Amino acid sequence: EVQLVESGGGLVQPGGSLRLSCAASGFTFSSYAMNWVRLAPGKGLQWVSSIFPSGTTTFYADSVKGRFTISRDNSKNTLYLQMNSLRAEDTAIYYCAKDRSRGNAVTHFDYWGQGTLVTVSS
Amino acid sequence: DIQMTQSPSSVSASVGDRVTITCRASQGISSWLAWYQQKPGKAPKLLIYAASSLQSGVPSRFSGSGSETDFTLTISSLQPEDFATYYCQQAISFPLTFGGGTKVEIK
Repeated sequence: EVQLVESGGGLVQPGGSLRLSCAASGFTFSSYAMNWVRLAPGKGLQWVSSIFPSGTTTFYADSVKGRFTISRDNSKNTLYLQMNSLRAEDTAIYYCAKDRSRGNAVTHFDYWGQGTLVTVSS
Repeated sequence: DIQMTQSPSSVSASVGDRVTITCRASQGISSWLAWYQQKPGKAPKLLIYAASSLQSGVPSRFSGSGSETDFTLTISSLQPEDFATYYCQQAISFPLTFGGGTKVEIK
């Protein structure tokens, strides 16, 4: 059974940092691209970042480029999102999501974690 | 960036009704479209991928159609567990983008 479990969310002041983690199990983690998607209060889903299976290629939404860094440790089956210079508009539930396609492709997301809440406020 | 426009933004329907949601892309995306269902407090769930392929385990009352710029999600006979918000998502190019969502409510 595929499981994705996020952690690391919380309350942080504007300008602060957080690192989210996503522990994966039930599939060959090193074979799939992984993704972060967020849901802000009263808004719709927003794609944040993706990373290819090897970890060498990454993609970011313009709104987080230069502030967020996605990474993965295939030996630990874990996905990360380092979030720096946080802003109020980054407040959201952050989901990690597994790509449906094996290999170097980012397409659609077939499994999602339960999400972790990030609140940026003074 | 490719803009994804869903309509309607909300719909009131009864159990047993046929419900159709549309998604329009600002440029052609071939069949690189997925539909997700999200209930309050829950993670999104993949329903349809590649515009018309039913994800494993999803009931057959859900179907998708369309290509390039115009897509539809149809629920043939609405069930109580289908009341939720539905999103489309394009995957032909970065940044990946979602539609604004369609909330299906009980009439």
